[in-house]
Amino acid sequence: DVVLTQTPPTLSATIGQSVSISCRSSQSLLHSNGNTYLNWLLQRPGQPPQLLIYLVSRLESGVPNRFSGSGSGTDFTLKISGVEAEDLGVYYCVQSTHAPFTFGSGTKLEIK
Amino acid sequence: QVQLKESGPGLVQPSETLSLTCTVSGFSLTSNSVHWVRQPPGKGLEWMGIIRSGGSTDYNSALKSRLSISRDTSKSQVFLKMNSLQTEDTAIYYCTRSRYWGQGTLVTVSS
Repeated sequence: DVVLTQTPPTLSATIGQSVSISCRSSQSLLHSNGNTYLNWLLQRPGQPPQLLIYLVSRLESGVPNRFSGSGSGTDFTLKISGVEAEDLGVYYCVQSTHAPFTFGSGTKLEIK
Repeated sequence: QVQLKESGPGLVQPSETLSLTCTVSGFSLTSNSVHWVRQPPGKGLEWMGIIRSGGSTDYNSALKSRLSISRDTSKSQVFLKMNSLQTEDTAIYYCTRSRYWGQGTLVTVSS
């Protein structure tokens, strides 16, 4: 099974600071159809997760453009350019290139 | 609009079978996949399995011996059945269509 390693496990940021979260895969997430099925989710306290980024870098409708995703193959990054208070929560990467699908262990973002 | 809603027993006895239903609206199960994901209290997300638009399934390697996902397309429902439950199966269980998530249902395994 694919293992996704997320770092750091926790992140503390001030409002307006830019932060990045890394997600590394144990094998390439490039599908034979040419797509890379790596998504980023945010789970706010007490809420179900919400989709932020899909296919590595495509911004989900309604998600602020301070969120961006990049990467290829086995290395992926979520960047928040100018953290806002509403961004606190746990961020997960998830891959659906190889079944069984798998989640990263999560990165908790705290606001200083 | 697209909605998913999980339902099932809140409490299950150890060694018994869990049965959950995900009732969807706003889309067709014959055109979309639905996943089950769970989250133990205070822990991360765990992908459990998927039923695809064509009806095929895939399961988490650690759960596949006791997990089954099926559907009734006429009722727009997806079912999860998992046997031999233990206390570590206590979790919030979500059904999801990737960009759409249900609110989740808490299942507690306890005698």
